[in-house]
Amino acid sequence: QKEVEQNSGPLSVPEGAIASLNCTYSDRGSQSFFWYRQYSGKSPELIMSIYSNGDKEDGRFTAQLNKASQYVSLLIRDSQPSDSATYLCAVRGGGTSYGKLTFGQGTILTVHP
Amino acid sequence: NAGVTQTPKFQVLKTGQSMTLQCAQDMNHNSMYWYRQDPGMGLRLIYYSASEGTTDKGEVPNGYNVSRLNKREFSLRLESAAPSQTSVYFCASSVRKDDNSPLHFGNGTRLTVT
Repeated sequence: QKEVEQNSGPLSVPEGAIASLNCTYSDRGSQSFFWYRQYSGKSPELIMSIYSNGDKEDGRFTAQLNKASQYVSLLIRDSQPSDSATYLCAVRGGGTSYGKLTFGQGTILTVHP
Repeated sequence: NAGVTQTPKFQVLKTGQSMTLQCAQDMNHNSMYWYRQDPGMGLRLIYYSASEGTTDKGEVPNGYNVSRLNKREFSLRLESAAPSQTSVYFCASSVRKDDNSPLHFGNGTRLTVT
């Protein structure tokens, strides 16, 4: 089992719809969780971080964390073509992996007009 | 504010050649990292430096060496390049390794080994 798993996609949604991106992780002691966006040929940029169970909202983005289910998600409301990118989930481990940041393989999102 | 600066942006090497990838950050971060990114593999950690004067292996350290020259600079060296090292390399930094601070990435170096 991979430490951090994402559906690689591609996920295709129409403009204005909600895009839902999911991530599961194996380390129950994981401490912090990040979503990065990466445009083709560019470097990853941080869009959301979440540390405790529940929802965290920032503009059109909502991160959701459920530590019991070892699941973190990113919702993008009112999706725009400019949201088309690869979204990377990153998890910072706990326990013996304390501090180690592991990335999923990324989900490709395409928003079509 | 430059953030994390990597050089070069592109490089082509022949098998067996050596080279050093340079990285510098101006955010006064303590921790620095080198990742490689291959299609379908996500980002994999090569080496990291939790603080000035320390370096540690990540997931895929074989074939690489690093130097934390000072707090700002962290270089990655390929002593004898192999085609398997064809990849995009990202340097990143964070305030500290063992806290909630996120990584800030450089623009990447696209390396091709023929």
